[in-house]
Order: sequence, then C-alpha cells, then structure tokens
Amino acid sequence: AQSVTQLDSQVPVFEEAPVELRCNYSSSVSVYLFWYVQYPNQGLQLLLKYLSGSTLVKGINGFEAEFNKSQTSFHLRKPSVHISDTAEYFCAVSKNTGTASKLTFGTGTRLQVTL
Amino acid sequence: DTGVSQNPRHKITKRGQNVTFRCDPISEHNRLYWYRQTLGQGPEFLTYFQNEAQLEKSRLLSDRFSAERPKGSFSTLEIQRTEQGDSAMYLCASSTPPWDPYEQYFGPGTRLTVT
Repeated sequence: AQSVTQLDSQVPVFEEAPVELRCNYSSSVSVYLFWYVQYPNQGLQLLLKYLSGSTLVKGINGFEAEFNKSQTSFHLRKPSVHISDTAEYFCAVSKNTGTASKLTFGTGTRLQVTL
Repeated sequence: DTGVSQNPRHKITKRGQNVTFRCDPISEHNRLYWYRQTLGQGPEFLTYFQNEAQLEKSRLLSDRFSAERPKGSFSTLEIQRTEQGDSAMYLCASSTPPWDPYEQYFGPGTRLTVT
C-alpha cells in the first residue's frame, strides 16, 4: 500500500515570496506522483505530475516539484506566489502501472497568501 | 465537452434516508473513479470502473454503498440508510483519454449533509 504525508497543514506566505509545500511518500512499489490544487467549492485540478525521467517537473501556474527517490519526497515550489494561489494543495501517489490508477492523497496543505 | 459533471452539487438528507448521486465523465474516458473527502482530509478512494465493469472497491465502501456504471457512460453512487458519518464531499473523476493516460479529471463534487 502507498501512503502520503504532508507535514504542513497550513502555510502562510506574503505575496511575491517563495514557497515550498512538503510531501513525503511511502511505497513498496514504483509510483507516479502528483500535485493537485483545490479552490473553494471546486474540484481538484492537476498542477503537475512525475512519471519518470527528469526529477524536476514543471507544471501550470509557475509551480514546479522535484522528485527525490532517496528521501521519498516530492516537494512543491513556486519562486513568487500570488494572491490567487491561495488554495488547498494535495500531494498524491499511484502505482506505476503504465496507466491511470487509484490515487492515494495526503491530508492537504492550505496555502494562504496575503499582501 | 466542459469536463466532469456531478449532480446534485449539494444534498441534505435525514439519517436513515437513501440518496443517489450522479457523475457524467468526460466523453471517451473509459475509467471512472469515486472518492470521498471529509473535512480537513484528502480524498479517499472508494471505487472505480473500467467501462461498465467495477474493478476495485475500497474497504471504506460498506454494503450500504453501491455504485453502478451502466453502458459505461454515467455512473451513480447510492448510499442506503444514511448515517451522520456519511456526511462528506463525494468526488468523481474520469481518466484515460488517448492523449493523456495518467491524469484523472475531477468533477466539482457533491456535498452530502446528513442531519
């Protein structure tokens, strides 16, 4: 079975400051890794994914994440945040099966951007 | 096609009543997933379909829950004899278009409140 830990339940940050949201995972098999964002009263939207290859993955809205196999981490970063980035962010894993399979999510990190 | 749709968006019911939710996936998506998200938690996998076949069910899916996907298009999730613990956001996702086999596209969810 897979599991995901997001240690920070809330991250407050000022606009234009950099941010890092942490994600660690556990799995006995090879996995795919994902970051999703959830705005209030909306479904989840995929920010980026790691399937294989380069460990630095770039996504939408200026976000990027780095896969670190030795530390079993997949931290999300953005060099300069905007007020509109305020949302809930979820890290997720799925088994590496060659196609989409069920996702196991972390508990989420609430990013609060203020002026 | 505007994405995954779910109806109703909100449902308030009394304990002991039955409820049914509907999910319409993106056309041509052959996989359909149901997740449940409680307050302050990440989504948890409930079940998924490949076309009309239900291929996996979580242990979270008690015998009061049943899901169907007749003809491999829309899906319904029914909860019988609802309990207060069933109060949650129920999310539907679809996946496996030819152009991106790994991403799950989420609907806006159905929020269930059991009083």
